[in-house]
Amino acid sequence: SQTIHQWPATLVQPVGSPLSLECTVEGTSNPNLYWYRQAAGRGLQLLFYSVGIGQISSEVPQNLSASRPQDRQFILSSKKLLLSDSGFYLCAWSVRVGDAYNSPLHFGNGTRLTVT
Amino acid sequence: GENVEQHPSTLSVQEGDSAVIKCTYSDSASNYFPWYKQELGKRPQLIIDIRSNVGEKKDQRIAVTLNKTAKHFSLHITETQPEDSAVYFCAAKLGFGNEKLTFGTGTRLTIIP
Repeated sequence: SQTIHQWPATLVQPVGSPLSLECTVEGTSNPNLYWYRQAAGRGLQLLFYSVGIGQISSEVPQNLSASRPQDRQFILSSKKLLLSDSGFYLCAWSVRVGDAYNSPLHFGNGTRLTVT
Repeated sequence: GENVEQHPSTLSVQEGDSAVIKCTYSDSASNYFPWYKQELGKRPQLIIDIRSNVGEKKDQRIAVTLNKTAKHFSLHITETQPEDSAVYFCAAKLGFGNEKLTFGTGTRLTIIP
């Protein structure tokens, strides 16, 4: 069965420090991968998604970036964190299928980031 | 761009009664509509989904209905229980190669014992 691993679970970082969050998926090949952010008590904001190695689509221009160095690895980074980057970061994957079928997103357990 | 509106933002229901959450979407090409449940501090989890060639789908106490003409879909929870208390998100996906889900803003459902 497929599993998604996301770490760390919690992180406290000072303003201006770098960030690296990692996500890996097991049990499937060639997945679509996603990074979402959720502010406290708010909805899910799509940050980046990827349909293949090295293919990254950015949804929100900001000081974050994403990379996909391997098929089942997705990394979220920042060179300098802002206070507004605090939130709950969720990695997700879905099966990449043809137009005739849609598959749901499966979320990781999330990383709670507090920028101080 | 694509947009999903969700109502109400909060909902309190007596235990045993039914709860209904409604979503509307803007893109007529949307063809996949999942619902997620998120408990406090945890990840969203898929509870039910429906595709555009189906009008209704049921799974025990949970059902989803879809009206493609009116571009709205609803989540129905019957015989509510305390463990149904959570935030519920609807979502919609464009068809034909679009790989993104657009989420609604969420409904905080509270079941009153």
